[in-house]
Amino acid sequence: SYELTQPPSVSVSPGQTASITCSGDKLGDKYASWYQQKPGQSPILLIYQDYKRPSEIPERFSGSNSGNTATLTISGTQAMDEADYYCQAWDSNTWLFGGGTKVTVL
Amino acid sequence: EVQLVESGGGLIQPGGSLRLSCVVSGFTVSSNYMSWVRQAPGKGLEWVSLVYNGDTTYYADPVKGRFTISRDISKNTVYLQMNSLRAADTAVYYCARTASESYDSFFDYWGQGTLVTVSS
Repeated sequence: SYELTQPPSVSVSPGQTASITCSGDKLGDKYASWYQQKPGQSPILLIYQDYKRPSEIPERFSGSNSGNTATLTISGTQAMDEADYYCQAWDSNTWLFGGGTKVTVL
Repeated sequence: EVQLVESGGGLIQPGGSLRLSCVVSGFTVSSNYMSWVRQAPGKGLEWVSLVYNGDTTYYADPVKGRFTISRDISKNTVYLQMNSLRAADTAVYYCARTASESYDSFFDYWGQGTLVTVSS
């Protein structure tokens, strides 16, 4: 079965850039989406179709997808960006999530 | 304004049954794909089931044969009937609208979730 792999944690200093990877076999041939989830809250959609942002999502969130890896980039990271981040892809009528990455803003 | 409101969670013994409801406002379930996604305590997200066009349904392997997704267009509501519940089914269950376009499918609106605890 298809799997998506994320690093368990990423640390970043305020104002710096955080990159979160999501790996899967030929993931670049599929579309990747990204979600942010803060403690006690529901997930929210950050990125879909690899790089598109819903209108309410700040521009500092961007996405890319090529080869076996999709990447979520947070530019100018803020304290409010501390959260869990999940990648997601669709394959053969199965909706798959990565294991999640906890982003800590130090 | 889009709202998805889940209900029906609670404490249930192993082997028992529970039905979750998701009342939707702001769009119609009849013209959208709708999913249930769950999250075990301290764990990641796991897609559970999807329904569209009324009679087309998909299920994750761990719940096949035990869970049934359905919808009531007149009530704009989606349901998840859960039978033969196991401890491993303990999770917050989220209802989510599932957008599907250009060979992509993702979850653009989520409810607040309802907690299901399976324990004796």
